[in-house]
Amino acid sequence: AQSVTQLGSHVSVSEGALVLLRCNYSSSVPPYLFWYVQYPNQGLQLLLKYTSAATLVKGINGFEAEFKKSETSFHLTKPSAHMRDAAEYFCAVSDLNTGGFKTIFGAGTRLFVKA
Amino acid sequence: GAGVSQSPRYKVAKRGQDVALRCDPISGHVSLFWYQQALGQGPEFLTYFQNEAQLDKSGLPSDRFFAERPEGSVSTLKIQRTQQEDSAVYLCASSLGLGPDTQYFGPGTRLTVL
Repeated sequence: AQSVTQLGSHVSVSEGALVLLRCNYSSSVPPYLFWYVQYPNQGLQLLLKYTSAATLVKGINGFEAEFKKSETSFHLTKPSAHMRDAAEYFCAVSDLNTGGFKTIFGAGTRLFVKA
Repeated sequence: GAGVSQSPRYKVAKRGQDVALRCDPISGHVSLFWYQQALGQGPEFLTYFQNEAQLDKSGLPSDRFFAERPEGSVSTLKIQRTQQEDSAVYLCASSLGLGPDTQYFGPGTRLTVL
């Protein structure tokens, strides 16, 4: 069965510092992996996705994530945090066992950015 | 273009009432998903439609929950005899194709059961 674990429900960084949000997944087959972001009072939107092409995936707003099969991880990074990055971030996994129908989301990590 | 819309945005129900939540997906999107998001949690899968066919309803928490998409576009999630534990934000998402594609989310309906 699929599952997603996001380490740290809250992460706080200073503006300009590295952002690292951790995600580990469990899937019995090669997964499809996603990071979604939810800004205050807005709906979830896709940041980036991994679909078995390049293991380093670049997304919007300077974010990227690396798929590491050996570590079953898909951590999200950004070299330099900006105040506008403050939001809730969700890692998610789908796999073809369920035809990709069922997407499992992590509990989310709220990112705080200090001036 | 228009995104995914949901109505109502907020719903307050007394315990035992029936509620109906509507989702208008992006035009032409084949796949439609419903999720339940409790406070401080990630979205939890409820059900999935491919056009009008409900292909997976394994996440519906009880037989009080029912979803339909009769013409392959608008979808309704109905909750009968609401309970306090049903209080949550209900999210709808649609995607263009089949399988694990990018999902476009609506703003959600916040349901509060008193």
